Amino acid sequence: QKEVEQNSGPLSVPEGAIASLNCTYSDRGSQSFFWYRQYSGKSPELIMFIYSNGDKEDGRFTAQLNKASQYVSLLIRDSQPSDSATYLCAAYTGFQKLVFGTGTRLLVSP
Amino acid sequence: ETGVTQTPRHLVMGMTNKKSLKCEQHLGHNAMYWYKQSAKKPLELMFVYNFKEQTENNSVPSRFSPECPNSSHLFLHLHTLQPEDSALYLCASSQTLGDIQYFGAGTRLSVL
Repeated sequence: QKEVEQNSGPLSVPEGAIASLNCTYSDRGSQSFFWYRQYSGKSPELIMFIYSNGDKEDGRFTAQLNKASQYVSLLIRDSQPSDSATYLCAAYTGFQKLVFGTGTRLLVSP
Repeated sequence: ETGVTQTPRHLVMGMTNKKSLKCEQHLGHNAMYWYKQSAKKPLELMFVYNFKEQTENNSVPSRFSPECPNSSHLFLHLHTLQPEDSALYLCASSQTLGDIQYFGAGTRLSVL
């Protein structure tokens, strides 16, 4: 079983819509979770981090965490073509090792 | 402008060459990391340094040799690489272990 799982996509949404990206993790000891955005050929850029159950909002981005279900999500409101990228979910394991999913490719069409 | 700088940005080397990748962070962080990113695979942690001391070697082949002379600099020495080592090599740093990691732009390595 992969430690952090994401649907590889692509997830296609029209401009202005809400994009919903999902991630599950296997280590119940994980306490901190991260979403990175990676444009093609570029390095990962931190978008959000979340440590507590519930929602965390920052501008057009909302991260959601449900530790009981071992589920993390990222919502992007009013999606823009510039949001088209691969979104990486990551979680620290109990050994302080940051484990990444394979990423979900998001395509926002004008 | 990223606080983590990697050089070179691109590197082409033969299987018998020796080269080094350099990473420098200007964030005052104490932990530094090397990752490998290959197509269609998740980022793979290679090495972790905390206060200059190596705390993690994720079963990396000995043809990759890290060096951390101080908390701001990290090197990855490469020798007798294989074509399957071609990938994007990313350096990251964090304030402490378990904290948010910030990535450099990466070195795109091609082994011929």
